[in-house]
Amino acid sequence: DIQMTQSPSSVSASVGDRVTITCRASQGISSWLAWYQQKPGKAPKLLIYAASTLQSGVPSRFSGSESGTDFTLTISSLQPEDFATYYCQQGTSFPLTFGGGTKVEIK
Amino acid sequence: QITLKESGPTLVKPTQTLTLTCTFSGFSLTTTGVGVGWIRQPPGKSLEWLAIVYWDDDKRYSPSLKSRLTITKDTSKNQVVLTMTNMDPVDTATYYCAHRMTGKNYFDPWGQGTLVTVSS
Repeated sequence: DIQMTQSPSSVSASVGDRVTITCRASQGISSWLAWYQQKPGKAPKLLIYAASTLQSGVPSRFSGSESGTDFTLTISSLQPEDFATYYCQQGTSFPLTFGGGTKVEIK
Repeated sequence: QITLKESGPTLVKPTQTLTLTCTFSGFSLTTTGVGVGWIRQPPGKSLEWLAIVYWDDDKRYSPSLKSRLTITKDTSKNQVVLTMTNMDPVDTATYYCAHRMTGKNYFDPWGQGTLVTVSS
């Protein structure tokens, strides 16, 4: 199985801050990576796929990048509605696997 | 607009079999490239992929749960059914079904989820 390791597990930030979340794959996954946002009591929502492609309707303050087996989700200017938990997921091989999540909290 | 909704029991006893139904609209499971997956999330924990069924009836399962899972589709009813045998309290989780992006094993959108508690 491909392990997806997210860091940090939580981050405290203020509105307007730049936030960066990292996901590391245990082996190469090319660009087969997605990022999801989940708010309490709600289903996950797809933000980014293929490592850096913004899903339709997602604000442009969200962006994704990759470097080898390291993937990054960046929120350029944190908004009140962005406080949530973020998950990465690899889509290159079965079993499909998710990261442990990063909770973005209000500072 | 694609929508999915999970239905099934909210409480099952240990050793029982869980049957969950995903009823969807806005797409057809006869269209090339389409799939529906199941993912679960124990309270306060991360997401775990369980199974997926494709338009051509290909099916894939989580290896750790494969012996307990069965996924089927009913294209006439626009439904996908997941059964999990021999339920245990550690299987307590919110169970989601989700639409697979065409040609890519990512999920969008997801159903609202259904919380299943395993307890005697």
